[in-house]
Amino acid sequence: AQSVTQPDIHITVSEGASLELRCNYSYGATPYLFWYVQSPGQGLQLLLKYFSGDTLVQGIKGFEAEFKRSQSSFNLRKPSVHWSDAAEYFCAVGAADSNYQLIWGAGTKLIIKP
Amino acid sequence: NAGVTQTPKFRVLKTGQSMTLLCAQDMNHEYMYWYRQDPGMGLRLIHYSVGEGTTAKGEVPDGYNVSRLKKQNFLLGLESAAPSQTSVYFCASSLNGENIQYFGAGTRLSVL
Repeated sequence: AQSVTQPDIHITVSEGASLELRCNYSYGATPYLFWYVQSPGQGLQLLLKYFSGDTLVQGIKGFEAEFKRSQSSFNLRKPSVHWSDAAEYFCAVGAADSNYQLIWGAGTKLIIKP
Repeated sequence: NAGVTQTPKFRVLKTGQSMTLLCAQDMNHEYMYWYRQDPGMGLRLIHYSVGEGTTAKGEVPDGYNVSRLKKQNFLLGLESAAPSQTSVYFCASSLNGENIQYFGAGTRLSVL
């Protein structure tokens, strides 16, 4: 069955420290991969996406993610977090043969320590 | 430039009542989606539409109906609300299925 796993429910990071949020997927077809961010009480905003090509993708707000097919992973990274990065982060996977319906991870809540 | 607008933002229903959630987008997108978000479960697709006049079931369609009579609007209906439908509902749209989805701010629904 198709699935997306975000192993960490919560992550606490000090402001200025580096960040890596994990995303693993199980998908039969060539996947399209997304990271979205949700601030409290808000809708979801796209951070970055991978469709094909370079496996290291750059997104907004200084985020990047790397697609590793051999590990079925699409981890999100940021070299130095800011207090404004505190939010919930969702990984999602889709594919052309699923009519592009997205399968979503359960989310990782990022807490920033001052 | 409103993007995706959901109304209402909050609603409290009693078990058995009905209601309709409205989603409107002004980006001329073909695809529209309704999701529900529950704690620890991420987003689950309820129904979606690939164009005006078309709808399809998603992962959790039971207890919900939808209509897409106009391209810009996607309505989600609850005919007889149940406490299990207490959730935050998000509407999204995309230019086509491959493109990114743009989300509304959500509707928080409580069914007592």
